[in-house]
Amino acid sequence: NAGVTQTPKFQVLKTGQSMTLQCAQDMNHNSMYWYRQDPGMGLRLIYYSASEGTTDKGEVPNGYNVSRLNKREFSLRLESAAPSQTSVYFCASSERGWGEKLFFGSGTQLSVL
Amino acid sequence: DQQVKQNSPSLSVQEGRISILNCDYTNSMFDYFLWYKKYPAEGPTFLISISSIKDKNEDGRFTVFLNKSAKHLSLHIVPSQPGDSAVYFCAAKNAGNMLTFGGGTRLMVKP
Repeated sequence: NAGVTQTPKFQVLKTGQSMTLQCAQDMNHNSMYWYRQDPGMGLRLIYYSASEGTTDKGEVPNGYNVSRLNKREFSLRLESAAPSQTSVYFCASSERGWGEKLFFGSGTQLSVL
Repeated sequence: DQQVKQNSPSLSVQEGRISILNCDYTNSMFDYFLWYKKYPAEGPTFLISISSIKDKNEDGRFTVFLNKSAKHLSLHIVPSQPGDSAVYFCAAKNAGNMLTFGGGTRLMVKP
């Protein structure tokens, strides 16, 4: 009963380094999302994928790219990390596009030095 | 400009008493509202929701109230338990659009 699995749980990068955050869900959900959480800012949408084969920008997409590899997997890539990208990243999924009930992974704590 | 605001960053309540968490929104097009609960080192989990056609929704100890004219919703937890200590996020959406989250309120329930 894994739900939404994110890797890694923690990561420290130097400015300019790249990395990919991985996310997989086993609930056969159509839609997947990447959020970042910053103190006092709540959860802000970076990118989403309403269905396999489609991706769209959210509220704060700059500096990120995504890939919906298949129905299960949705990855987030930072091509050249910046200190402003220090945050906690959450992947989520829902049964249908903008289904109200999102299921979240446990998060990735990313620090960019 | 934040469309969904939780003006209290934290709230402390005694076990057994009522916890009231508040949320204000500015977009009158929002038609569905949700509360999520988040424990440390875990992702948020869905708690309760309400459609704009209702003004109240109950689920056990949790009740959400919606005041559309004031653009205000609140979450009541009665009675509060230590296990309710967490960060609570309200969120809102309108049809076909993304969820917009508030900044969160940290609830501490003291034994």
